[in-house]
Amino acid sequence: AQSVTQLGSHVSVSEGALVLLRCNYSSSVPPYLFWYVQYPNQGLQLLLKYTSAATLVKGINGFEAEFKKSETSFHLTKPSAHMSDAAEYFCAVSPRSARQLTFGSGTQLTVLP
Amino acid sequence: SQTIHQWPATLVQPVGSPLSLECTVEGTSNPNLYWYRQAAGRGLQLLFYSVGIGQISSEVPQNLSASRPQDRQFILSSKKLLLSDSGFYLCAWSAATNTGELFFGEGSRLTVL
Repeated sequence: AQSVTQLGSHVSVSEGALVLLRCNYSSSVPPYLFWYVQYPNQGLQLLLKYTSAATLVKGINGFEAEFKKSETSFHLTKPSAHMSDAAEYFCAVSPRSARQLTFGSGTQLTVLP
Repeated sequence: SQTIHQWPATLVQPVGSPLSLECTVEGTSNPNLYWYRQAAGRGLQLLFYSVGIGQISSEVPQNLSASRPQDRQFILSSKKLLLSDSGFYLCAWSAATNTGELFFGEGSRLTVL
């Protein structure tokens, strides 16, 4: 069984500041890890994914995440926040199959002008 | 390219009325299909998934059912809606063999009064 914990249901940053959204996971097998973004009243869009290749993964819109096995973490970062980054972000873990994908509870990112 | 369509986008229904939400995928064959529910302030809950026509797996016992009459069509139904069925319903697809990457529709917001 696997689980995902996203620390902080709400995060606020100033425009231009560093974005850091935290995700810790547990998995009985080496996992695949994902970050999805959801804008208001829309579906989820994949930001990036880790599938056992490079531990530093780059995604769309300038986001990246680093897989740290020793810390069981997959935190999402962006060097400089933009107003358009305001959305809800979901971390997800999968042992090897989409039908076993487990989502975190989400983190709402607010970007302040 | 692949696309996923979901409708209706918004629905307001009285308690006890029936429900039908439809989802179709274009540009791919034999996809895995999923229905998720996102209640206010919560993460995503997998309701149903399907690996082929007529093959439906239910993840949680509930007032809803799903059907897959065609390869790229997935329908979520209820005979009698409950207040607790209100939420944001998301259809998603994945390739038949994949690591957990899902492609989501735009969602259907259901309000049961």
